[in-house]
Amino acid sequence: DAGVIQSPRHEVTEMGQEVTLRCKLISGHNSLFWYRQTMMRGLELLIYFNNNVPIDDSGMPEDRFSAKMPNASFSTLKIQPSEPRDSAVYFCASRAGGPTEAFFGQGTRLTVV
Amino acid sequence: GENVGLHLPTLSVQEGDNSIINCAYSNSASDYFIWYKQESGKGPQFIIDIRSNMDKRQGQRVTVLLNKTVKHLSLQIAATQPGDSAVYFCAENSGNTPLVFGKGTRLSVIA
Repeated sequence: DAGVIQSPRHEVTEMGQEVTLRCKLISGHNSLFWYRQTMMRGLELLIYFNNNVPIDDSGMPEDRFSAKMPNASFSTLKIQPSEPRDSAVYFCASRAGGPTEAFFGQGTRLTVV
Repeated sequence: GENVGLHLPTLSVQEGDNSIINCAYSNSASDYFIWYKQESGKGPQFIIDIRSNMDKRQGQRVTVLLNKTVKHLSLQIAATQPGDSAVYFCAENSGNTPLVFGKGTRLSVIA
């Protein structure tokens, strides 16, 4: 298995534009997590899914953020409209049920100018 | 301001020495603990984990110690190498909940 795959690796966009980040889970994993990492706040959990169902989205900063799992192996995180303060590295991670280790993707570095 | 950020604790270690990275956790209900290593430009990578029914677990060159009484976790790296330079995070959870991460410690290995 190639591990958790995120795309794009880097995204530079203008303020106000829509941004979509993508994540492919490891086959057989049933939990999906989106984290955001910044110098100010470290690694923050945004939202997580179990068996394609969103369980807790209390970490999503605003209504501008939304996440979906259209199927068991794929997820998107959308920011619309994007703002400069959304600039961060966004990670997704998957897990084969808990408690056990979560496997992280390489991240998407988002820069909003 | 723009330049204010997390002040990551930094541990500087001579190559070949042992490293000890500490972590305090807050949730007494947590029953699973894990250490991750994050190199620049990469996602966090699993190092070692431990469940609450244990107080010590050893891997290759790494040992994790768990003290539930004082809610403390430590990672020991034997014979530290330049490739060990990274930011190390502890994380905790219970049941099916997400991992909650600590702030991280930067390990710098001096060759």
